[in-house]
Amino acid sequence: GAVVSQHPSWVICKSGTSVKIECRSLDFQATTMFWYRQFPKQSLMLMATSNEGSKATYEQGVEKDKFLINHASLTLSTLTVTSAHPEDSSFYICSASGQENTEAFFGQGTRLTVV
Amino acid sequence: AQSVAQPEDQVNVAEGNPLTVKCTYSVSGNPYLFWYVQYPNRGLQFLLKYITGDNLVKGSYGFEAEFNKSQTSFHLKKPSALVSDSALYFCAVRDSLSGNTPLVFGKGTRLSVIA
Repeated sequence: GAVVSQHPSWVICKSGTSVKIECRSLDFQATTMFWYRQFPKQSLMLMATSNEGSKATYEQGVEKDKFLINHASLTLSTLTVTSAHPEDSSFYICSASGQENTEAFFGQGTRLTVV
Repeated sequence: AQSVAQPEDQVNVAEGNPLTVKCTYSVSGNPYLFWYVQYPNRGLQFLLKYITGDNLVKGSYGFEAEFNKSQTSFHLKKPSALVSDSALYFCAVRDSLSGNTPLVFGKGTRLSVIA
């Protein structure tokens, strides 16, 4: 299957700082990528849809100024958590699929801890 | 609107016994159904999908799932469970084949296989 790489796998940051998470499709082009957030023992909550070359579409209740998404190329989307607070601590996962794929492929996830 | 229900938070099964993880769905159009598995602190791995055709779908690691339109179900099964199958399993649906539409996930079912 196609490979999606997410970096970093884990990060610890101080309150008030910003953290950038990268999501790359390694062997296919993804015009659309998705960012999810997962709380402990819960399902994946869709945060936003990232479209190459245009603005992201955010789900209701997700602050677009706090969770900045950039999709500068067909293989890279980034999620920046700005002015992070402890309540932003969570597991963030990206996914993407190519034109010829019906299923989505997921990155390894990023465990963010804000202290 | 689409939705997925996984009625069991936890399924316990003895090694070597058959396992079933339940999933029902609701979608306005044609359902495209997926199963994913998640190991601790990792992203989701694709197991199998139903798009069209044979109702019994075979996937990775010996898993299979049966699409039942009348019962709107897509239960995941395996004839003989392994301890290494212990993980979190997610059922997902979308009503479009386009990679530009996100998957909608169930809450997940934790499978524990006991030696």
